[in-house]
Amino acid sequence: NAGVTQNPKFQVLKTGQSMTLQCAQDMNHNSMYWYRQDPGMGLRLIYYSASEGTTDKGEVPNGYNVSRLNKREFSLRLESAAPSQTSVYFCASRGGVYSPLHFGNGTRLTVT
Amino acid sequence: GDSVTQMEGPVTLSEEAFLTINCTYTATGYPSLFWYVQYPGEGLQLLLKATKADDKGSNKGFEATYRKETTSFHLEKGSVQVSDSAVYFCALSDRGETSGSRLTFGEGTQLTVNP
Repeated sequence: NAGVTQNPKFQVLKTGQSMTLQCAQDMNHNSMYWYRQDPGMGLRLIYYSASEGTTDKGEVPNGYNVSRLNKREFSLRLESAAPSQTSVYFCASRGGVYSPLHFGNGTRLTVT
Repeated sequence: GDSVTQMEGPVTLSEEAFLTINCTYTATGYPSLFWYVQYPGEGLQLLLKATKADDKGSNKGFEATYRKETTSFHLEKGSVQVSDSAVYFCALSDRGETSGSRLTFGEGTQLTVNP
């Protein structure tokens, strides 16, 4: 049972480059989330998708876009990367209001 | 808005010591409360949860009780092991009408257990 799968695991970008972080879940969950984790700041929500076909901004959406491609897949795009976007990015999904989040193993992104 | 405050880390203990990590929250309504654990190089994993006042969540020797009167959900373990070294996150989930309700996380507490 794969759970939540993220790709790539590591990425180095130059300022101004673009990239898409991929996320897929095989648990038939309705909701999917993108978080970033920075030292001393915990996890901050970037965007989330309550269900297929919907997306909403979280706490720190600037500089990012998302696509809920289907029920399984939720991608995060950086159109023009900046050094402030150096972080560890986690995708997560959950099945219901009282259910816990299931996390992927993260993508470690460095922007130089 | 909702918020979660955890005790500041890092916390360093000797093996078999008693552990408490404090967590308090601010929320409207009646949130569900969670503790997540993150081992090095991995994503977060659910450790335990409680969905209503006075519920006690427990797993792997860890416990936490949902205290509505003090808006707290402190994590405890009677005897820690080296393998418990990790970062611990307290979180709450608002009881929105859809499954898109969001989790709010604390900043995390780094625990190191020495042999």
